[in-house]
Amino acid sequence: GAGVSQSPSNKVTEKGKDVELRCDPISGHTALYWYRQRLGQGLEFLIYFQGNSAPDKSGLPSDRFSAERTGESVSTLTIQRTQQEDSAVYLCASSPGGQGDYGYTFGSGTRLTVV
Amino acid sequence: GDSVTQMEGPVTLSEEAFLTINCTYTATGYPSLFWYVQYPGEGLQLLLKATKADDKGSNKGFEATYRKETTSFHLEKGSVQVSDSAVYFCALLLYNFNKFYFGSGTKLNVKP
Repeated sequence: GAGVSQSPSNKVTEKGKDVELRCDPISGHTALYWYRQRLGQGLEFLIYFQGNSAPDKSGLPSDRFSAERTGESVSTLTIQRTQQEDSAVYLCASSPGGQGDYGYTFGSGTRLTVV
Repeated sequence: GDSVTQMEGPVTLSEEAFLTINCTYTATGYPSLFWYVQYPGEGLQLLLKATKADDKGSNKGFEATYRKETTSFHLEKGSVQVSDSAVYFCALLLYNFNKFYFGSGTKLNVKP
């Protein structure tokens, strides 16, 4: 597609429920990233995919967080047993991949609110 | 470790004022440096970048120069507009890695 698409744009969930966040990267972009942005704070790296493998998932905050990617396409970030501290905007970005300084293209994010 | 520090906001300016948003970095290698902008209700957009020392990135009237000696990448604009109101993020990318390190963001409010 023309840009990085994320869905849903907003999600309100009850504490303890599981949520799935979806990211559709730009077609042909092999690298995909998930970041978290808490209110008033900067971006916190979660996980990086190159193709469908995740060479760096050092930013996942706990084992309640997991992510997968199908080939060089859609990625899903799953949060199990959500907690109030999980409330944030979850941003996905993609890039052409490989070594280089291409910069990212970001999606508009999913605003997750845990009540 | 690798990190980016940028000035806290919010920064409030009148239209046509001069803007500087400070950014300094710590990196073990030779990073590329970026400024991203996030307009209200929108995703982050790449504003400009510089890939080596003394390079100047520029876009939409904004400029930033990669200063290795001071490990800085300050964002400047000579005359801001109301439409520049947004949150600005400084970021670095190490050459051999595909992970950006972002600053905490600086909110800019421009008043007419």
